[in-house]
Amino acid sequence: QSVLTQPPSASGTPGQRVTISCSGSSSNIGSNNVNWHQQLPGTAPKLLIYTNDQRPSGVPDRFSGSKSGTSASLAISGLQSEDEADYYCAAWDDRLNAWVFGGGTKLTVL
Amino acid sequence: QITLKESGPTLVQPTQTLTLTCTFSGFSLSTNGVGVGWIRQPPGKALEWLALIYWDDDKRYSPSLRSRLTISKDTSNNQVVLTMTNMDPVDTGTYYCVRCTGVTGLGDHWGQGTLVTMSS
Repeated sequence: QSVLTQPPSASGTPGQRVTISCSGSSSNIGSNNVNWHQQLPGTAPKLLIYTNDQRPSGVPDRFSGSKSGTSASLAISGLQSEDEADYYCAAWDDRLNAWVFGGGTKLTVL
Repeated sequence: QITLKESGPTLVQPTQTLTLTCTFSGFSLSTNGVGVGWIRQPPGKALEWLALIYWDDDKRYSPSLRSRLTISKDTSNNQVVLTMTNMDPVDTGTYYCVRCTGVTGLGDHWGQGTLVTMSS
């Protein structure tokens, strides 16, 4: 059971906009920044979004992040086949004194 | 260019101690705000944070695994070592080394990962 809650799956067709949610609590998302990581099949994860809504250099602006209260979201616009991957949210938890992850969302491009 | 690479045994016997080494380049673990940590992923499952060591030798551990983990650093050789005692088959998975900074948080750079399998 992950501390952060994500839907196990999401899907969309090429060109569509897809949103993945990440729900937490006041001790993690509610008081700390959220990162999102993308894991393409068979590869190591890669940082996609940091500090809630910032993109590292090289990440297309089709990817965007937001946070409100104890929840965060990752949005992917102009969906492409190469976006098919697992997506994980993460945050520091002040109560657990630990980094916590969501259970991951498997995105399928139909 | 920042790189991290994990090394260690691929096969471990139950009850043994696992020792993994992360060798990194392109940054220094003596820089204010920088840390190196470990994350693992059982086959087909989610990511799980294990431990983190900061530039000032501050160490943080997963509460559920704290009693089994030790993290240390060798700044001059750009290495971080993680030991996990009393290995169990449920500890099978890919172990990743990651960088952490005060700006980007955990995992702005990842190693390729090393698969550790428990033999029966």
